[in-house]
Amino acid sequence: EAGVAQSPRYKIIEKRQSVAFWCNPISGHATLYWYQQILGQGPKLLIQFQNNGVVDDSQLPKDRFSAERLKGVDSTLKIQPAKLEDSAVYLCASSGSDTQYFGPGTRLTVL
Amino acid sequence: GENVEQHPSTLSVQEGDSAVIKCTYSDSASNYFPWYKQELGKRPQLIIDIRSNVGEKKDQRIAVTLNKTAKHFSLHITETQPEDSAVYFCAANSPGTYKYIFGTGTRLKVLA
Repeated sequence: EAGVAQSPRYKIIEKRQSVAFWCNPISGHATLYWYQQILGQGPKLLIQFQNNGVVDDSQLPKDRFSAERLKGVDSTLKIQPAKLEDSAVYLCASSGSDTQYFGPGTRLTVL
Repeated sequence: GENVEQHPSTLSVQEGDSAVIKCTYSDSASNYFPWYKQELGKRPQLIIDIRSNVGEKKDQRIAVTLNKTAKHFSLHITETQPEDSAVYFCAANSPGTYKYIFGTGTRLKVLA
């Protein structure tokens, strides 16, 4: 079974620039999550999708972050404009039931 | 809000000794408790999980125990090896939402 795929793996941008991350969940998984993990901390949920609908985006900084999952499969997370404090690993996870499976993450560095 | 407390934040053990990491959850409705291992620069990987209808679950050198009354669960690693060195996260689910509340993580170092 293929795992959760993410790209790019690494991204370096200047502050105020834009960036987008892509996630392809495990086939058949209805629920998709985007997490932000700052070095030394646990994953922080940014947004949760059930199929193509948003279940929880209470911790998403909506003035600069956006996410979509148009066809209920792949998802993109965008940051515009980026700030220094956005430097982190962005993890995508998917689940078909209780268990969440994580992708390899995208390490974002904002200079 | 709901939270999960995890202790200790760091743990050093000699190779071959046992390691125990403890978590306490606040939502009495939580019924699923996974544990993830995250090696440096890698994704969190599920290593074991337990549901609320079970008190203990074991998989080779790893075991998890659950005390629903006290609302705490623990990860036990026996005969630790250097490759067990990583950050371990516990989590508790928020029933009906498929959302997790994560603990703050425990950095385990196994000294050779």
